[in-house]
Amino acid sequence: EVQLVESGGGLVKPGGSLRLSCTASKFTFSSFSMNWVRQGPGKGLEWVSSISDTSSYIYYADSVKGRFTISRDNAKNSLYLQMNSLTAEDTAVYYCARVSVGATFNYGMDVWGQGTTVTVSS
Amino acid sequence: DIQMTQSPSSVSTSVGDRVTITCRASQDISSWLAWYQQKPGKAPKLLIYTASSLQSGVPSRFSGSGSGTDFTLTINSLQPEDFATYYCQQTNSFPITFGQGTRLEIK
Repeated sequence: EVQLVESGGGLVKPGGSLRLSCTASKFTFSSFSMNWVRQGPGKGLEWVSSISDTSSYIYYADSVKGRFTISRDNAKNSLYLQMNSLTAEDTAVYYCARVSVGATFNYGMDVWGQGTTVTVSS
Repeated sequence: DIQMTQSPSSVSTSVGDRVTITCRASQDISSWLAWYQQKPGKAPKLLIYTASSLQSGVPSRFSGSGSGTDFTLTINSLQPEDFATYYCQQTNSFPITFGQGTRLEIK
């Protein structure tokens, strides 16, 4: 079964850092662009960041630009999100999600992980 | 940034009913629109992409239409498992943006 599994969430103090990981299985990870999407408590979905299949193209939401860094290691079938200077507004469930068609971002996200929870609190 | 506005925010309806959810983009996004279903505590599920294409495995009672700025998701003959929150998403340009969600509740 095609699968994404996130890890690395937890409780962190304001100003702290956290690195999320997303491990892919049962599909050719290197052929797909990938995304991070988050959902704050009781809130809607918020796109965070996207990275193309070869890492040539990277995009960030303004809310995280300069603080978060997306990366991937195709040899390890893994996607990462390095999060620095965290604030309470970053508290959310973070999902990694695969684009549904190859490298293009236009066709939606068809495979999602179960999510990992990040809580920023003193 | 392209703003996505869904209506209604919530709707109470019954099993067997037909429901339509509307999504409006703040500028022309052609047909670059997707719809997702999310149940509590679960990840979103892709239902529709490019405004009207049904994702594999999604029941045919779900359909999408529209282009430009106005889009609709229609669910015919609602089933108990359809009561969830639905989101539209524009994939025309970055930043990718979602609607605020429409919660489908059982009347």
